[in-house]
Amino acid sequence: AQSVTQLGSHVSVSEGALVLLRCNYSSSVPPYLFWYVQYPNQGLQLLLKYTSAATLVKGINGFEAEFKKSETSFHLTKPSAHMSDAAEYFCAVSKGSGNTGKLIFGQGTTLQVKP
Amino acid sequence: SQTIHQWPATLVQPVGSPLSLECTVEGTSNPNLYWYRQAAGRGLQLLFYSVGIGQISSEVPQNLSASRPQDRQFILSSKKLLLSDSGFYLCAWVPDSFGNTIYFGEGSWLTVV
Repeated sequence: AQSVTQLGSHVSVSEGALVLLRCNYSSSVPPYLFWYVQYPNQGLQLLLKYTSAATLVKGINGFEAEFKKSETSFHLTKPSAHMSDAAEYFCAVSKGSGNTGKLIFGQGTTLQVKP
Repeated sequence: SQTIHQWPATLVQPVGSPLSLECTVEGTSNPNLYWYRQAAGRGLQLLFYSVGIGQISSEVPQNLSASRPQDRQFILSSKKLLLSDSGFYLCAWVPDSFGNTIYFGEGSWLTVV
């Protein structure tokens, strides 16, 4: 069985500070891992994805994530937060090729950016 | 280009009334299609998926059903809504069985009163 745990339902940072959103996964097969962002009253937008290639994945809007198999983690980072980064972020896992649409999502982390 | 459309965007329905949410995909053929639900304050949960016309798989038992009458059309329905059906419903698609990214529609807010 697969699962995703996002540590911290709310994270608050100051504008310009480092953003770190934590995600740990559990999977019996090599996983595909994703980070999505959801702005208020909107659908989900893909930030980045890991599909068994490079372990350091760069995404849109300056975000990146590193796949660490030994730690079963896929934490999302951004060096300098912008006000526009305030949103809800979801980590998700799938069983890999052929099952990409069947995602298991974490509970989400709301990112607040303070001026 | 490939796009996904979902409607209505918002609806308020009384308990016991029927429901129909529609999703269509443009610019592709034979996509895998999905319905997800996001309940208030919770993550997303996969409800149904379809790999082709008339082929529906249900992930969780519930008061809802899904249908795929055409290749690029996916419909979420209910005969009688419950209060617990309230939530944000998202249609999504993967280009084909071996695509490695799922794309989401804009979502439909359903409030059952």
